[in-house]
Amino acid sequence: QKEVEQDPGPLSVPEGAIVSLNCTYSNSAFQYFMWYRQYSRKGPELLMYTYSSGNKEDGRFTAQVDKSSKYISLFIRDSQPSDSATYLCAMSKNSYGKLTFGQGTILTVHP
Amino acid sequence: EAQVTQNPRYLITVTGKKLTVTCSQNMNHEYMSWYRQDPGLGLRQIYYSMNVEVTDKGDVPEGYKVSRKEKRNFPLILESPSPNQTSLYFCASTRQAGAVYEQFFGPGTRLTVL
Repeated sequence: QKEVEQDPGPLSVPEGAIVSLNCTYSNSAFQYFMWYRQYSRKGPELLMYTYSSGNKEDGRFTAQVDKSSKYISLFIRDSQPSDSATYLCAMSKNSYGKLTFGQGTILTVHP
Repeated sequence: EAQVTQNPRYLITVTGKKLTVTCSQNMNHEYMSWYRQDPGLGLRQIYYSMNVEVTDKGDVPEGYKVSRKEKRNFPLILESPSPNQTSLYFCASTRQAGAVYEQFFGPGTRLTVL
């Protein structure tokens, strides 16, 4: 069983839709949770960074962490075609250490 | 411009021919990593370095070597490449901004081993 599971999709939504992306994990030692966005032919870039349980909002993006359920989510409101990318969840046991990634979800937002 | 650069971006080689993928960052970061990305498996860490002359294995180090002689450079060496090392490789360096540790990724190197 993988330490981090992420539905690879692909996910296709109309512009303006609310998108929900999710990951589950098995290792309770994970303390830091991240979402990366990766455009085609590019390296991943950090989108959201959360420590422990709770919610964090940044513009149209909201990250949620539920450590009791070992479940993290990323919500995108008012999705735009420019949000079309692969979204990767990642987590680590310490602040600077090795990241363990999910498989990535391919998202397409069509006009 | 703050960035992580990798070279080459694309490489096709044959089994057993030694190769090096270079990685350089201009942000004075101490922590650097190498990852490989494969379909269905996501990104997996190969090696990491906490500072000059300090390196350690990640999750999938077999068949790879690294060195860190200077802070800015972290090359990945494949002494005898095999077809199962065909993959997309990313170098990353980590910046600390308060409580947030952000990994900056390079543009990737697509390697094909025939």
